[in-house]
Amino acid sequence: EAGVAQSPRYKIIEKRQSVAFWCNPISGHATLYWYQQILGQGPKLLIQFQNNGVVDDSQLPKDRFSAERLKGVDSTLKIQPAKLEDSAVYLCASSSPAGGRGNEQFFGPGTRLTVL
Amino acid sequence: ILNVEQSPQSLHVQEGDSTNFTCSFPSSNFYALHWYRWETAKSPEALFVMTLNGDEKKKGRISATLNTKEGYSYLYIKGSQPEDSATYLCALNLSMRFGAGTRLTVKP
Repeated sequence: EAGVAQSPRYKIIEKRQSVAFWCNPISGHATLYWYQQILGQGPKLLIQFQNNGVVDDSQLPKDRFSAERLKGVDSTLKIQPAKLEDSAVYLCASSSPAGGRGNEQFFGPGTRLTVL
Repeated sequence: ILNVEQSPQSLHVQEGDSTNFTCSFPSSNFYALHWYRWETAKSPEALFVMTLNGDEKKKGRISATLNTKEGYSYLYIKGSQPEDSATYLCALNLSMRFGAGTRLTVKP
C-alpha cells in the first residue's frame, strides 16, 4: 500500500513570497489533515478535511493560509504572503473513518519550509 | 484549550537501558490518545492508539499504559537500542492536539 505522498520535500523562499504544498493521501482515506510543526514544538493541526469538506480549520491563519481538497482526494496548502515565522515542517496525514475513535493517522514525510 | 504536556523534553540513555516518559493531558472529555515515533527525515509512525482507562499495549520492546482518570500515559522502552533514537510524540484526539515530544538518544 502506497503511503501519503507530499511534495516538495524542501522549499526555501523569501518573506512575502507565495508557496504551495501538495499532498496525496492513501487511497480510500476520506480524512486528510495538514499540520505545522515548528522546531521544538509538537505538530499543530491547521486544517482537517472530511472528503472535500472542512471539518476543523480553527487554527488556520486565514489571512495568509488557504487549503483546498478538490474532488476529495489530493490537497494543496498555500501560504501567501509568507512570513519568517512560517518556517516549519508542514505535515500531511490521512485516516480512514472506518477506524472508529481510535483512528490511526498515516503521515507523509513532510515539507520543510525555510522563509528568509 | 487542551494542553498536552510531555516530559522529559529530551533523554540520553545507554544501549541496553530501559527508559520511560510521560504524556499528561486534561482528564475531562477524554476520547483517545495516540503515541507516535518520529525519526529524523522520516514520517511520523503510529505506535499505539489508546482509548480505555487502564489500557496497556505492547509492540516488541515498547509498551504504553493509560490512566484517563488522572490524565496521563506512560511509554516504556525496554533494553533501548540505538535505532530507538527518535522523537516520541503523544496526541489527544478528537482535536489531535500534540505534545512537544520527548527526544530520545540511545548511545551505543
